[in-house]
Amino acid sequence: AQRVTQPEKLLSVFKGAPVELKCNYSYSGSPELFWYVQYSRQRLQLLLRHISRESIKGFTADLNKGETSFHLKKPFAQEEDSAMYYCALISLGGYKYIFGTGTRLKVLA
Amino acid sequence: KAGVTQTPRYLIKTRGQQVTLSCSPISGHRSVSWYQQTPGQGLQFLFEYFSETQRNKGNFPGRFSGRQFSNSRSEMNVSTLELGDSALYLCASSLEGGVGNTIYFGEGSWLTVV
Repeated sequence: AQRVTQPEKLLSVFKGAPVELKCNYSYSGSPELFWYVQYSRQRLQLLLRHISRESIKGFTADLNKGETSFHLKKPFAQEEDSAMYYCALISLGGYKYIFGTGTRLKVLA
Repeated sequence: KAGVTQTPRYLIKTRGQQVTLSCSPISGHRSVSWYQQTPGQGLQFLFEYFSETQRNKGNFPGRFSGRQFSNSRSEMNVSTLELGDSALYLCASSLEGGVGNTIYFGEGSWLTVV
Protein backbone atom coordinates (compact mmCIF):
# COMPACT_ATOMS: atom_id res chain seq x y z
CA ALA A 1 0.00 0.00 0.00
CA GLN A 2 1.12 3.52 -0.72
CA ARG A 3 1.85 5.35 2.48
CA VAL A 4 3.76 8.34 3.81
CA THR A 5 4.76 8.25 7.46
CA GLN A 6 5.81 11.22 9.53
CA PRO A 7 6.53 9.74 12.95
CA GLU A 8 6.69 13.01 14.88
CA LYS A 9 3.56 15.06 15.46
CA LEU A 10 5.52 17.83 17.17
CA LEU A 11 9.16 18.76 17.05
CA SER A 12 10.53 21.54 19.24
CA VAL A 13 14.02 22.92 18.77
CA PHE A 14 15.86 26.01 19.87
CA LYS A 15 16.77 28.76 17.47
CA GLY A 16 20.09 28.02 15.83
CA ALA A 17 19.86 24.28 16.42
CA PRO A 18 19.77 21.78 13.56
CA VAL A 19 16.41 20.44 12.44
CA GLU A 20 15.47 17.12 10.90
CA LEU A 21 11.87 16.28 10.07
CA LYS A 22 11.48 12.62 9.29
CA CYS A 23 9.54 11.16 6.39
CA ASN A 24 9.36 7.56 5.31
CA TYR A 25 7.37 6.28 2.40
CA SER A 26 6.03 3.00 1.21
CA TYR A 27 5.62 2.71 -2.51
CA SER A 28 6.70 0.25 -5.15
CA GLY A 29 7.90 2.21 -8.11
CA SER A 30 9.36 5.64 -8.66
CA PRO A 31 7.39 8.27 -6.81
CA GLU A 32 8.04 11.96 -6.81
CA LEU A 33 8.54 13.27 -3.26
CA PHE A 34 7.67 16.69 -1.90
CA TRP A 35 7.67 18.73 1.26
CA TYR A 36 4.82 21.17 1.76
CA VAL A 37 4.67 23.81 4.49
CA GLN A 38 1.79 25.64 6.10
CA TYR A 39 2.66 28.76 8.08
CA SER A 40 0.15 30.16 10.55
CA ARG A 41 -2.91 31.55 8.78
CA GLN A 42 -1.48 30.85 5.34
CA ARG A 43 -2.33 28.29 2.73
CA LEU A 44 -0.36 25.14 2.17
CA GLN A 45 2.56 25.74 -0.18
CA LEU A 46 5.31 23.76 -1.81
CA LEU A 47 8.65 23.92 0.01
CA LEU A 48 10.72 21.62 -2.17
CA ARG A 49 10.61 18.57 -4.42
CA HIS A 50 13.23 15.87 -4.73
CA ILE A 51 13.66 16.11 -8.48
CA SER A 52 14.78 19.73 -8.33
CA ARG A 53 17.41 19.06 -5.66
CA GLU A 54 17.33 22.71 -4.65
CA SER A 55 17.57 24.34 -1.25
CA ILE A 56 14.67 26.53 -0.19
CA LYS A 57 14.91 28.77 2.88
CA GLY A 58 17.95 26.74 3.89
CA PHE A 59 16.04 23.44 3.87
CA THR A 60 17.26 20.40 1.96
CA ALA A 61 15.91 16.89 1.56
CA ASP A 62 17.62 13.87 0.09
CA LEU A 63 15.74 10.94 -1.31
CA ASN A 64 17.15 7.68 0.07
CA LYS A 65 15.60 4.89 -1.94
CA GLY A 66 17.31 2.20 0.12
CA GLU A 67 15.74 3.44 3.34
CA THR A 68 12.67 4.81 1.54
CA SER A 69 13.13 8.11 3.34
CA PHE A 70 12.97 11.77 2.42
CA HIS A 71 13.93 13.60 5.58
CA LEU A 72 13.87 17.40 5.65
CA LYS A 73 16.90 19.09 7.16
CA LYS A 74 18.10 22.56 8.05
CA PRO A 75 21.41 23.24 9.80
CA PHE A 76 20.26 26.26 11.81
CA ALA A 77 16.58 26.70 12.68
CA GLN A 78 15.00 30.14 12.66
CA GLU A 79 11.88 31.26 14.53
CA GLU A 80 10.13 31.91 11.23
CA ASP A 81 10.48 28.22 10.38
CA SER A 82 7.77 27.41 12.92
CA ALA A 83 5.01 25.83 10.86
CA MET A 84 3.28 22.59 9.92
CA TYR A 85 5.28 20.45 7.51
CA TYR A 86 3.82 17.74 5.31
CA CYS A 87 5.70 15.14 3.33
CA ALA A 88 3.93 13.89 0.21
CA LEU A 89 4.39 11.68 -2.80
CA ILE A 90 2.81 11.25 -6.16
CA SER A 91 3.13 8.13 -8.18
CA LEU A 92 4.70 8.05 -11.61
CA GLY A 93 1.85 7.96 -14.07
CA GLY A 94 -0.66 8.66 -11.32
CA TYR A 95 -2.64 11.66 -10.24
CA LYS A 96 -3.09 10.89 -6.58
CA TYR A 97 -1.09 12.76 -3.98
CA ILE A 98 -0.49 10.94 -0.73
CA PHE A 99 0.32 13.08 2.28
CA GLY A 100 1.73 12.24 5.66
CA THR A 101 -0.07 13.35 8.80
CA GLY A 102 2.30 16.28 9.25
CA THR A 103 4.84 17.45 11.79
CA ARG A 104 4.46 20.71 13.65
CA LEU A 105 7.82 22.41 14.05
CA LYS A 106 8.23 24.89 16.89
CA VAL A 107 11.41 26.90 16.99
CA LEU A 108 11.97 28.33 20.43
CA ALA A 109 13.78 31.59 21.05
CA LYS B 1 -2.28 35.84 -11.20
CA ALA B 2 -5.13 35.01 -8.84
CA GLY B 3 -4.67 31.95 -6.68
CA VAL B 4 -6.99 29.03 -6.13
CA THR B 5 -10.28 30.30 -4.77
CA GLN B 6 -12.64 28.25 -2.66
CA THR B 7 -16.16 29.12 -1.59
CA PRO B 8 -17.69 29.21 0.89
CA ARG B 9 -14.92 29.63 3.43
CA TYR B 10 -16.98 28.59 6.42
CA LEU B 11 -20.24 26.73 6.74
CA ILE B 12 -22.25 24.89 9.32
CA LYS B 13 -24.60 22.09 8.32
CA THR B 14 -26.86 19.71 10.15
CA ARG B 15 -26.37 15.97 10.12
CA GLY B 16 -28.23 14.44 7.19
CA GLN B 17 -28.02 17.53 4.99
CA GLN B 18 -25.88 17.83 1.91
CA VAL B 19 -23.26 20.40 0.99
CA THR B 20 -21.63 21.66 -2.18
CA LEU B 21 -18.19 23.28 -2.16
CA SER B 22 -16.75 25.21 -5.06
CA CYS B 23 -13.22 25.65 -6.34
CA SER B 24 -11.88 28.00 -9.01
CA PRO B 25 -8.39 26.98 -10.15
CA ILE B 26 -5.57 29.26 -11.19
CA SER B 27 -6.15 30.52 -14.70
CA GLY B 28 -4.78 28.02 -17.22
CA HIS B 29 -4.75 25.13 -14.77
CA ARG B 30 -6.76 22.16 -15.94
CA SER B 31 -6.20 19.72 -13.07
CA VAL B 32 -8.12 20.09 -9.83
CA SER B 33 -7.76 17.83 -6.82
CA TRP B 34 -9.61 17.76 -3.51
CA TYR B 35 -8.44 16.83 -0.03
CA GLN B 36 -9.97 16.43 3.40
CA GLN B 37 -7.82 17.76 6.22
CA THR B 38 -8.43 16.74 9.82
CA PRO B 39 -6.12 17.02 12.85
CA GLY B 40 -5.74 13.28 13.26
CA GLN B 41 -5.57 12.14 9.65
CA GLY B 42 -3.74 14.99 7.97
CA LEU B 43 -4.57 15.48 4.29
CA GLN B 44 -6.47 12.70 2.62
CA PHE B 45 -6.95 12.63 -1.14
CA LEU B 46 -10.56 12.70 -2.30
CA PHE B 47 -10.38 12.88 -6.11
CA GLU B 48 -8.67 14.52 -9.06
CA TYR B 49 -10.20 15.91 -12.23
CA PHE B 50 -8.71 16.90 -15.56
CA SER B 51 -10.71 18.15 -18.52
CA GLU B 52 -13.97 17.21 -16.80
CA THR B 53 -12.83 13.61 -16.22
CA GLN B 54 -12.12 12.02 -12.88
CA ARG B 55 -8.72 10.37 -13.19
CA ASN B 56 -8.27 9.10 -9.66
CA LYS B 57 -10.16 8.89 -6.41
CA GLY B 58 -9.36 8.17 -2.80
CA ASN B 59 -10.94 5.81 -0.33
CA PHE B 60 -14.03 7.75 0.61
CA PRO B 61 -17.65 6.56 0.59
CA GLY B 62 -19.92 7.29 -2.32
CA ARG B 63 -21.47 10.17 -0.39
CA PHE B 64 -18.48 12.19 -1.55
CA SER B 65 -18.66 13.16 -5.19
CA GLY B 66 -17.26 15.79 -7.45
CA ARG B 67 -17.31 17.20 -10.90
CA GLN B 68 -15.41 19.58 -13.11
CA PHE B 69 -16.81 22.01 -15.61
CA SER B 70 -15.49 22.99 -19.03
CA ASN B 71 -13.87 26.12 -17.56
CA SER B 72 -11.95 23.85 -15.11
CA ARG B 73 -13.92 25.05 -12.11
CA SER B 74 -14.79 22.18 -9.82
CA GLU B 75 -17.35 21.34 -7.20
CA MET B 76 -17.50 18.63 -4.60
CA ASN B 77 -20.64 17.42 -2.93
CA VAL B 78 -21.15 15.52 0.28
CA SER B 79 -24.58 14.03 0.80
CA THR B 80 -26.16 12.76 4.01
CA LEU B 81 -23.64 14.55 6.17
CA GLU B 82 -22.24 12.85 9.23
CA LEU B 83 -20.56 14.41 12.25
CA GLY B 84 -17.26 12.89 11.12
CA ASP B 85 -17.36 14.89 7.90
CA SER B 86 -16.45 18.00 9.85
CA ALA B 87 -13.11 19.04 8.37
CA LEU B 88 -11.23 21.52 6.26
CA TYR B 89 -11.73 20.70 2.59
CA LEU B 90 -8.86 21.81 0.39
CA CYS B 91 -8.80 22.21 -3.33
CA ALA B 92 -5.57 22.34 -5.33
CA SER B 93 -4.89 23.04 -8.97
CA SER B 94 -2.03 22.40 -11.35
CA LEU B 95 -1.41 22.75 -15.05
CA GLU B 96 -1.90 19.09 -15.90
CA GLY B 97 -1.62 17.13 -12.66
CA GLY B 98 0.70 14.23 -12.10
CA VAL B 99 4.46 13.99 -11.85
CA GLY B 100 6.36 17.17 -12.61
CA ASN B 101 3.40 19.44 -11.88
CA THR B 102 3.34 21.63 -8.81
CA ILE B 103 -0.03 21.80 -7.12
CA TYR B 104 -1.26 25.05 -5.61
CA PHE B 105 -3.71 25.00 -2.74
CA GLY B 106 -6.65 27.17 -1.91
CA GLU B 107 -7.38 28.38 1.60
CA GLY B 108 -10.01 25.73 2.09
CA SER B 109 -13.63 25.47 3.14
CA TRP B 110 -14.24 24.82 6.81
CA LEU B 111 -17.22 22.50 7.21
CA THR B 112 -18.79 21.91 10.60
CA VAL B 113 -21.53 19.29 10.89
CA VAL B 114 -23.73 19.56 13.97
